Amino acid sequence: DSGVTQTPKHLITATGQRVTLRCSPRSGDLSVYWYQQSLDQGLQFLIQYYNGEERAKGNILERFSAQQFPDLHSELNLSSLELGDSALYFCASTPGRVAGELFFGEGSRLTVL
Amino acid sequence: AQSVTQLDSQVPVFEEAPVELRCNYSSSVSVYLFWYVQYPNQGLQLLLKYLSGSTLVKGINGFEAEFNKSQTSFHLRKPSVHISDTAEYFCAVRALYNNNDMRFGAGTRLTVKP
Repeated sequence: DSGVTQTPKHLITATGQRVTLRCSPRSGDLSVYWYQQSLDQGLQFLIQYYNGEERAKGNILERFSAQQFPDLHSELNLSSLELGDSALYFCASTPGRVAGELFFGEGSRLTVL
Repeated sequence: AQSVTQLDSQVPVFEEAPVELRCNYSSSVSVYLFWYVQYPNQGLQLLLKYLSGSTLVKGINGFEAEFNKSQTSFHLRKPSVHISDTAEYFCAVRALYNNNDMRFGAGTRLTVKP
C-alpha cells in the first residue's frame, strides 16, 4: 500500500459526459501528479500541483482540468468525454516540489462508451 | 526535454533464467533515472533509482541496474527470475534541475514461464 488513495477505482460513462477523479496523497506529501495510461500512448504526464498551485503541465487536453485543495487532495476533471479518453488515470505524490520517487495510487479506470 | 526509450516491448523468459530489460534515455542535462514495476491491477512501485554515486544500483526483489553515461543507458538486470516477477516494467527519467515531471518509457512486459 503506497498510501495514495484514488476514487473511484472504476468508472463507466458515455461520450460527452463529465467526470471527476479524486486523489488523496500520502500523509505529508505536498506534490500531486496526474498520469494517463493507455495502450497506445503509454504513461503520459498530465499535470503537477505543489501545495495548491499548478507546478508543471504535460500533455493535458484543454477539456481536462485539475486542482489541489487546501487539505492537499486533488481532483482531475474530464469533460466532453470522447472514446479515446478511456484509460487508466494514476495519481502520484511526493513530499517536495521536485520529483524524487513517485508514490502511485492504484488508479482509476475510465471507460467511455 | 528528456525522453526514454525502452527497446523491448515484451520479454519472455523461463523461470530461473537471467533477464535484461533495456532502457536508453535522451537529455541535454544531467538526469536521475528510475525503474518502476507495475503488477496487474496495481499502481507503479519503485524498484530502484540512480541519483548519484556508484553506477551500479541495487533494488528490491534482486534487481539491479547500471547507469552508463557514455551510452545513455540504464539497463535493468536480474540473474534468476521467478514467476512472480511477471509484470510491466517502466524506465523513467527526470532532469536534475528546472523540471518537475518524470518521463516514462513505454514499458516492457516481462513474462516468466515455468
